[in-house]
This record gives sequence, structure tokens and C-alpha cells, in this order.
Amino acid sequence: EAQVTQNPRYLITVTGKKLTVTCSQNMNHEYMSWYRQDPGLGLRQIYYSMNVEVTDKGDVPEGYKVSRKEKRNFPLILESPSPNQTSLYFCASSVSKFYEQYFGPGTRLTVT
Amino acid sequence: KQEVTQIPAALSVPEGENLVLNCSFTDSAIYNLQWFRQDPGKGLTSLLLIQSSQREQTSGRLNASLDKSSGRSTLYIAASQPGDSATYLCAVPPANQAGTALIFGKGTTLSVSS
Repeated sequence: EAQVTQNPRYLITVTGKKLTVTCSQNMNHEYMSWYRQDPGLGLRQIYYSMNVEVTDKGDVPEGYKVSRKEKRNFPLILESPSPNQTSLYFCASSVSKFYEQYFGPGTRLTVT
Repeated sequence: KQEVTQIPAALSVPEGENLVLNCSFTDSAIYNLQWFRQDPGKGLTSLLLIQSSQREQTSGRLNASLDKSSGRSTLYIAASQPGDSATYLCAVPPANQAGTALIFGKGTTLSVSS
């Protein structure tokens, strides 16, 4: 089954404790991206990757890192999480930015 | 910079009613427009993708139209059902923002009562 998976689905952590949210797709997509969703602000792109080893900032990249060492995986790294990063995070993949985007199930992160 | 607006923010209708959700965008230079459905606390499910060269797309009871020149799209839902209750989001990939995939509207939350 074609899908985008994210882990963990729920995470509660404390300020400053490094964490990684994994994202994997099995559709051989070149384009992958991360979004966060916040009440009143909607969905905003954090980072994107057009292919292996090619990543770039989206609209809200501060406090986040990403890497793309393999085509199927695109982890989101929070080196020192802060409470303002409490949010619902989505990973998405596609053939390219101009094609249909497929979203993962989301990761709900709470930073206390 | 591309901005996407969805009106109304919330809509309540009785079961069986036909309804229209609206989406407008400021920059008509788009490659496509995608409609999503999101259930509370859940992920996004792609409903329809309309290419910029198309005027409309249909899937079951859903019909999406696109008018690039006026910067508008509508999602028509026929014979609404309680199971249609969800938030509906429209999104466009801006042509002139390198790499950015989708700019989202804030959604219309639909409630269909039985």
C-alpha cells in the first residue's frame, strides 16, 4: 500500500531535549516536505527536499533541522525543543512540488 | 506572496443539502489546486486535484471547479451526509516561490446534522 508513515504519532517532551520525528514513504517520491499546523495559523511549510541531499527552508524553519540521506526518509530534528514548537506536524511526499501531495497521519508534539 | 482564503470558516447544514465551499487565491500563476479533507486531530486526505489547464474535476458526490483568471475554486458537495463532517482545506503550489509545495487556506469546518 502506498503510504507516508510518521513516528511517533504522539510525543510529550521537555524543553531542550533533542528529538527526531521520522518520516518514510514507499512511493519512490523525490519531493518531501514537513508542515506544522496550528490553530488560527493553518498549515505552514517548515522544510522541503527536492531529492537526496537537497533540502531547503520553507516558511517557518527556525528551530528545526532536516536531512535527506535516502530517498524514502526525511526526518525532522528538533535540537532544542521549546514550548512554541508544540504543534501537529505533517510529512508529505510527491513526485514533485507540482503534483499531488500525499500526507502522513501526523505527529502531535507537546513541549513542556 | 500567494495567499489563500476560504470562506466561510464554518458551515452547518442539514443532511441531504447540496453545498458549496469557496477558496480564493491572490496569485493566478498556479500549477494546480488541491482540495483536502481533515478529520479532527487526523491527517489530510486528498480529495481532488485540478490542474491549471482544467476547469473542473469530479469524484463521486464531489465536484471541484477552478477559475484561474478570477483566482477562485469551489468544492461542491451533493446530497451531504453526516460522514461529510470535517474540515476542508484548499491548497495551491505557488509558481513563483521556489520549492515551496503548498500554500494552504485555513479551511472550512463543515458540520452535517442528521
